[in-house]
Amino acid sequence: DGGITQSPKYLFRKEGQNVTLSCEQNLNHDAMYWYRQDPGQGLRLIYYSQIVNDFQKGDIAEGYSVSREKKESFPLTVTSAQKNPTAFYLCASSMWGENEQFFGPGTRLTVL
Amino acid sequence: KNEVEQSPQNLTAQEGEFITINCSYSVGISALHWLQQHPGGGIVSLFMLSSGKKKHGRLIATINIQEKHSSLHITASHPRDSAVYICAINNDMRFGAGTRLTVKP
Repeated sequence: DGGITQSPKYLFRKEGQNVTLSCEQNLNHDAMYWYRQDPGQGLRLIYYSQIVNDFQKGDIAEGYSVSREKKESFPLTVTSAQKNPTAFYLCASSMWGENEQFFGPGTRLTVL
Repeated sequence: KNEVEQSPQNLTAQEGEFITINCSYSVGISALHWLQQHPGGGIVSLFMLSSGKKKHGRLIATINIQEKHSSLHITASHPRDSAVYICAINNDMRFGAGTRLTVKP
């Protein structure tokens, strides 16, 4: 089945540790996105990538890093520099030039 | 001020009621999306529209580009419709905060 997978669904980390969230898609989509969702707020764009080996900062990129070594994969690292990392993280993908995005199931990160 | 405003924030209805969720935006767009997020967190795209009206089953979405306003309607609502409904515009994909709908049996 085609789709987007994120793992794990729930993740707990101690303060000060870096953590990497996985996002994989087999839809042959060119573009991939990372969003953060906090209670009472709309999704906010962290990073996006339109092509392999290239990515752009979104609205709230500070404290995060990404890589796009393969078309299918767009991992997000939440670094210790992120002041408030506890949130729900959603990955999405789309065909290049198309508006419709397809979302993964999300990862809920809790930093203790 | 957020570029995308949704109302109401929370909505509780009885099964069978007609539901309307509103979305207003402040910039010119070429398309608007309605998304559904279930309690588990996953998001499903319901509609993408740039003019007029679209219908899928009991869901109807309308948009008025001149007034910068869109509505999502649910006819004959059912408890399984309980979810958060999110409006998004395609200008760098700006999202509303969502409307949490609860339909009681």
